Amino acid sequence: AQSVTQLDSQVPVFEEAPVELRCNYSSSVSVYLFWYVQYPNQGLQLLLKYLSGSTLVKGINGFEAEFNKSQTSFHLRKPSVHISDTAEYFCAVSGTGGTSYGKLTFGQGTILTVHP
Amino acid sequence: DSGVTQTPKHLITATGQRVTLRCSPRSGDLSVYWYQQSLDQGLQFLIQYYNGEERAKGNILERFSAQQFPDLHSELNLSSLELGDSALYFCASSVVPGGDYEAFFGQGTRLTVV
Repeated sequence: AQSVTQLDSQVPVFEEAPVELRCNYSSSVSVYLFWYVQYPNQGLQLLLKYLSGSTLVKGINGFEAEFNKSQTSFHLRKPSVHISDTAEYFCAVSGTGGTSYGKLTFGQGTILTVHP
Repeated sequence: DSGVTQTPKHLITATGQRVTLRCSPRSGDLSVYWYQQSLDQGLQFLIQYYNGEERAKGNILERFSAQQFPDLHSELNLSSLELGDSALYFCASSVVPGGDYEAFFGQGTRLTVV
């Protein structure tokens, strides 16, 4: 079984400031890691994913995340945020095989609010 | 637009009733997933289908059932509804089951039980 903990429920930042949204996971098996974004009244959109290889993953809209296996973390970063980045962000994990393959376990979400 | 279509967008119904939520996956996607998003439970995996067959089950109540039809659309049936079933229900689809294939999410059906 897997679990995901997003360490901050809300993160307020000013426009053009850097931001980091923190995510830790727990799993007894190998995992794939994801970040999704949800804008108000919208579905979830994939920002980026880690499957294997380089631990630094780049995604859409200037976001990137770093997989740290020893710390079981997958923190999301952006060097300079825009007002339009205001949304809720979800970290998720899935197993790499068996019945957990493709099934996403989500964290509780982090609401990022970008102030002008 | 993700290409995943969910109907209806909003549904208001009374306790004890039964509703059906519908999902049309992206063209070519064989796998469908259902998720429930509520304030107290967050986003939870309910059930997964692949090419018409149930593949994995999550925290789905016995009052809930789902199926995937030969044309690959899926329906989630919720019966004996309770106030606590009020939530946003998402459908997602991917080409095949697996994290290496991106799951595309629909905009959800917001169910309100009164």
